Amino acid sequence: DAKTTQPNSMESNEEEPVHLPCNHSTISGTDYIHWYRQLPSQGPEYVIHGLTSNVNNRMASLAIAEDRKSSTLILHRATLRDAAVYYCILREFQGAQKLVFGQGTRLTINP
Amino acid sequence: DADVTQTPRNRITKTGKRIMLECSQTKGHDRMYWYRQDPGLGLRLIYYSFDVKDINKGEISDGYSVSRQAQAKFSLSLESAIPNQTALYFCATSGGQEAGPQPQHFGDGTRLSIL
Repeated sequence: DAKTTQPNSMESNEEEPVHLPCNHSTISGTDYIHWYRQLPSQGPEYVIHGLTSNVNNRMASLAIAEDRKSSTLILHRATLRDAAVYYCILREFQGAQKLVFGQGTRLTINP
Repeated sequence: DADVTQTPRNRITKTGKRIMLECSQTKGHDRMYWYRQDPGLGLRLIYYSFDVKDINKGEISDGYSVSRQAQAKFSLSLESAIPNQTALYFCATSGGQEAGPQPQHFGDGTRLSIL
């Protein structure tokens, strides 16, 4: 499985944008980039995914580099409820399509 | 009501006991997964199933077995529990791959402690 690298922790302020980076230099052409988050005492929650183009949904935006070796999850206006561990994961298109979780980025939001 | 329900939510048991963790889903998904999470670590895949007749090992299947009783039910068993299986266990489901890998939907987890 191709690996991802994320900072261990990040901190931001409430109502400000947050950019969470992820490096995946060994990504293959068929790997999708998925982001999940895990709030305290809960199971992981799907956030967003993409292949080549930037993606937007109600939760966040995903910016994918042109060479696909990195991506950034953007929370446009962070709230206290966005404090969580964020996981950047590469998922193969074929086969098991399993999620391989790394350690993720622990995001702290200051009031 | 939750789409993915895990029972029990918490369990404390002794070494050597047989334990079953149950997962049921109302999402109509074919694919179901079992993960474990240890403190400070990400999730690791134990077993996964693409339909009732399909069971596959994940990266840490030793010491575990599973049963897919129906499309909606996927159980994880520890035949003879040992202390290093103390962890948080998550069940997840996903749809097929009509348009690329589909999101997985997780239950709230079972916290298992083995003394």
